Amino acid sequence: AQTVTQSQPEMSVQEAETVTLSCTYDTSESNYYLFWYKQPPSRQMILVIRQEAYKQQNATENRFSVNFQKAAKSFSLKISDSQLGDTAMYFCAFTNYNTDKLIFGTGTRLQVFP
Amino acid sequence: GAVVSQHPSRVICKSGTSVKIECRSLDFQATTMFWYRQFPKKSLMLMATSNEGSKATYEQGVEKDKFLINHASLTLSTLTVTSAHPEDSSFYICSASGAGANNVGDTQYFGPGTRLTVL
Repeated sequence: AQTVTQSQPEMSVQEAETVTLSCTYDTSESNYYLFWYKQPPSRQMILVIRQEAYKQQNATENRFSVNFQKAAKSFSLKISDSQLGDTAMYFCAFTNYNTDKLIFGTGTRLQVFP
Repeated sequence: GAVVSQHPSRVICKSGTSVKIECRSLDFQATTMFWYRQFPKKSLMLMATSNEGSKATYEQGVEKDKFLINHASLTLSTLTVTSAHPEDSSFYICSASGAGANNVGDTQYFGPGTRLTVL
């Protein structure tokens, strides 16, 4: 079975600092996608970043970047220059090429302090 | 990114009544739509997957006669909670995937959610 594990239930960071959220997954598939979604207090799920497993290059989106280690099945999210608006629950998610279903981790609650 | 709307954002109903929630993809054609339920401080639980024009596929443990899903067009899916009871109170979220100008076809884009309270 495919699983996604987020081992950090809560994290905190000071504004302008950098924080890394961990995510590991388990699959026997070789072709898949990985995502980070953000859910702020409004509860709207927002796509943060997306990584295709066949790409060796780590995805980046402005202040957000990932460290994708395929062999280790690790997909961490780095947030640089943290802003107060980054305060949210962050979910790591996985899907493979054969199904549209997303498998979510349990989430990490990130608090950014001024 | 792609925009998905959901209506209503909040609904309160009496026990025994039915409630319909709409999910629309505003700027792309959603070949697949998903319905999730989220309990407080928990992750999303997939309820069902629907493809346009075909019957929804329900996850194990989800009553298909209670949670009716219709995906009649490439931009609209509806979830009807029939004979709602207090235990159905929850936050319901839809998502959609499909090719469009501003989105990647294999990525799910989420609606803002609907908070259902059954008295």
